[in-house]
Amino acid sequence: EVQLLESGGGLVQPGGSLRLSCAASGFTFSSYAVSWVRQAPGKGLEWVSGISGSGGSTHYADSVKGRFTISRDNSKNTLYLQMNSLRAEDTAVYYCAKGSAGVVAATTFDYWGQGTLVTVSS
Amino acid sequence: SYVLTQPPSVSVAPGKTARITCGGNNIGSKSVHWYQQKPGQAPVLVIYYDSDRPSGIPERFSGSNSGNTATLTISRVEAGDEADYYCQVWDSSSDHQVFGGGTKLTVL
Repeated sequence: EVQLLESGGGLVQPGGSLRLSCAASGFTFSSYAVSWVRQAPGKGLEWVSGISGSGGSTHYADSVKGRFTISRDNSKNTLYLQMNSLRAEDTAVYYCAKGSAGVVAATTFDYWGQGTLVTVSS
Repeated sequence: SYVLTQPPSVSVAPGKTARITCGGNNIGSKSVHWYQQKPGQAPVLVIYYDSDRPSGIPERFSGSNSGNTATLTISRVEAGDEADYYCQVWDSSSDHQVFGGGTKLTVL
């Protein structure tokens, strides 16, 4: 059974940093791209970032480029999102989503974690 | 950047057919995926690559994609289908995944 378990969310002040983790199990982690997708309170889904199965290719939404860094440790079956220079508008539930192929491009998200809440507020 | 446009809401009586549209420039040339999200839950994939259904998704869910509009069709709608639905594509010009704004399906 595929499982994705996010952690690391919490309350952080504007300008601060936070690191999210997503522990994966039930599939060959290194064979699939994974992405972070967020959802602000009462709003729709927004793709944040994606990384290929090998980790050699990364993609970012314009809203987070230069502030967020996605990475993965295939030996630990874990995905990360380092978030710096956080803003109030980054407040959201952050989901980890498994891609249906090894590349980020043109794939669907076939499994999702339950999400972790990030609140940016003073 | 590529924009996907969905109606904010769709209402349908139980047993009837609901159609949720997703508009985008020449979206017919892209692969469209659809997700269902119930309150307080993570999204669930219901249609992928325009019209394929994951295992466990009822046959009542179907999809089509042509021209500038993709459509998610839910036949014989049940109360349990009430949820938010999102379409999604890959935009190769920006190397971004893109979601539509979402449609709230209300079962009357």
